[in-house]
Amino acid sequence: GQNIDQPTEMTATEGAIVQINCTYQTSGFNGLFWYQQHAGEAPTFLSYNVLDGLEEKGRFSSFLSRSKGYSYLLLKELQMKDSASYLCAVRDEDYQLIWGAGTKLIIKP
Amino acid sequence: IAGITQAPTSQILAAGRRMTLRCTQDMRHNAMYWYRQDLGLGLRLIHYSNTAGTTGKGEVPDGYSVSRANTDDFPLTLASAVPSQTSVYFCASSEGQGATGELFFGEGSRLTVL
Repeated sequence: GQNIDQPTEMTATEGAIVQINCTYQTSGFNGLFWYQQHAGEAPTFLSYNVLDGLEEKGRFSSFLSRSKGYSYLLLKELQMKDSASYLCAVRDEDYQLIWGAGTKLIIKP
Repeated sequence: IAGITQAPTSQILAAGRRMTLRCTQDMRHNAMYWYRQDLGLGLRLIHYSNTAGTTGKGEVPDGYSVSRANTDDFPLTLASAVPSQTSVYFCASSEGQGATGELFFGEGSRLTVL
């Protein structure tokens, strides 16, 4: 079956760096997405990786290793507003998105 | 502001009742989707439409139906609601398979079936 694994919850300190991991097993691969979802709100797009390597976008970076079925989202200079759930999703061979359950990130002052 | 509008934002209904969740987008996106989100689970695809006039079944289609009469509208109907359909429902759209596939989500419809 298809599976996306990510930690349920993580805690970090304001101003610090946190890495949220995502491992996947899917039928084929056509890209990996990270979305941010604040409590009670809709998910919003953060990043897209289809080739191996690191994609940097401001304070957020996303890394992909297709051979390992692994990605991470790196958040630097954490701010209180970064408290949210982070969803990892993989697009499979049929171009359907398979979603992880999300990682709830708690930022402490 | 361009985007996706869902209605209602919240609804409580009795089991056995029929319910339609509305979704309208003004971005002229080809593809539209309905997801449900339950605590501890990832977003699960109910139905999708790659273009106006076509629809397809997702991971959890039973008990739900959709139609795509035009590009903008993609309503989701629960023919006879059951308590297990209590969830938050998100409508989303994307340009289609040819693009990166970034999804744009509506604000969600919180449905409680008693």
